[in-house]
Amino acid sequence: DGGITQSPKYLFRKEGQNVTLSCEQNLNHDAMYWYRQDPGQGLRLIYYSQIVNDFQKGDIAEGYSVSREKKESFPLTVTSAQKNPTAFYLCASSKGVTSGRGNEQFFGPGTRLTVL
Amino acid sequence: RKEVEQDPGPFNVPEGATVAFNCTYSNSASQSFFWYRQDCRKEPKLLMSVYSSGNEDGRFTAQLNRASQYISLLIRDSKLSDSATYLCVVLSNTGNQFYFGTGTSLTVIP
Repeated sequence: DGGITQSPKYLFRKEGQNVTLSCEQNLNHDAMYWYRQDPGQGLRLIYYSQIVNDFQKGDIAEGYSVSREKKESFPLTVTSAQKNPTAFYLCASSKGVTSGRGNEQFFGPGTRLTVL
Repeated sequence: RKEVEQDPGPFNVPEGATVAFNCTYSNSASQSFFWYRQDCRKEPKLLMSVYSSGNEDGRFTAQLNRASQYISLLIRDSKLSDSATYLCVVLSNTGNQFYFGTGTSLTVIP
C-alpha cells in the first residue's frame, strides 16, 4: 500500500528531553512537511523540504529540527528548547513544486506528543 | 491578514439539508485550491481539489472565484457521516507552501 506512516502514534516525554518523530512515505513524493495542530486550532507549518538534503523553516520552527537524508524520510526532532511541545504533529507529502493538477498534499496519521 | 480565512461555524444541519461553506484567500497569485475533511483526532484527508471551472463529486460541489478570491464547498443531501471539520487549503504561488484555514465544523443531526 502506498502512503505515509508516522510513528509512534502516542508519545510521552519528560520535560527537558529531546524526542524524534518518524515520518516515512513511499509515494515517491519530492516534498515533505511537518505541521503542528493544537486543540481547536488550525495547522501551523514547522518545517518543509522540497528536495533531499534541503529544508526550509516554516512559521514556528523554533525548538524543532529536521533532516532530509533520504527522499522517503523526514524525521522531526522536538528539542528541549521548544517551550510548549504538547500537540498533535502531522507529517505530509506532495509531488512538489509543480503546476497544474496532481499537486495535492497527503497526510500521515499523526503523532500525539505529551510532555509530562 | 491571514492567508486563508474560513467561518469556523459550527454549522448544525438536519439530515438531507444542503449546506455551503465559503473561504477567502489573500494572495491573488495562489496556484491551487483544495478542500480537506478532518475527523476528530484524525489527520486531514483530501476531499476534493477545486478547479477554475468548478467541479463536482457526487453530493459535493466545489467552486473557485479568482476575481473575488473565494472558494466554496456545497454539500447536498447531508448524511450523518458528513459530520467533520472542513479545511480550506491554498497552495502558494511559488508552489512550495500550503496555507490552511482554521476549519469549519459541521454536525449533521438525525
